[in-house]
Amino acid sequence: KAGVTQTPRYLIKTRGQQVTLSCSPISGHRSVSWYQQTPGQGLQFLFEYFSETQRNKGNFPGRFSGRQFSNSRSEMNVSTLELGDSALYLCASTGVSSYEQYFGPGTRLTVT
Amino acid sequence: GENVEQHPSTLSVQEGDSAVIKCTYSDSASNYFPWYKQELGKGPQLIIDIRSNVGEKKDQRIAVTLNKTAKHFSLHITETQPEDSAVYFCAASILGGNMLTFGGGTRLMVKP
Repeated sequence: KAGVTQTPRYLIKTRGQQVTLSCSPISGHRSVSWYQQTPGQGLQFLFEYFSETQRNKGNFPGRFSGRQFSNSRSEMNVSTLELGDSALYLCASTGVSSYEQYFGPGTRLTVT
Repeated sequence: GENVEQHPSTLSVQEGDSAVIKCTYSDSASNYFPWYKQELGKGPQLIIDIRSNVGEKKDQRIAVTLNKTAKHFSLHITETQPEDSAVYFCAASILGGNMLTFGGGTRLMVKP
């Protein structure tokens, strides 16, 4: 079974721009969670989607948003980028009736 | 909300020695505790997990123990090998919540 895939793997954006990251979960998984990883704050939960609905949300500003499609693929969007948004963005998928989260390789976002 | 603390932040051991990483959590409602290993340039990899109805779980050279009363859990790696060198993260959540709160991470270095 293929693992969680994330595209793009690397991205460089300028302050004020917006960015969209994509995540394809493991086949059959319907829950996708997003995390931000930075050296200073560590791994922090952004939000979780299940069956196209946001089920949980972390403590991030409204500039961070996401969505999930009917095939369980998910996207997250960050608008009006700030330097502090530079991070590794990870998504994880969870199977139905399961609790194990499997992570993708992440998207490294650099904001200049 | 949940708060997870992890110690030590760095750990250096000789090949063949044991390594122990400890975490404490604050929310007594948490009942699922996974451990992840993250190698450079990769996403976190689930290596073992434990639920609150179990006190200990083993998988070959890796074991996890949980003390619900004291709200702490530990990762034990025996007979360490150079390929065990990585950053290890503990996490806590409520089963089915898919919202992991991570500890700050432990950089394990195994010297040959």
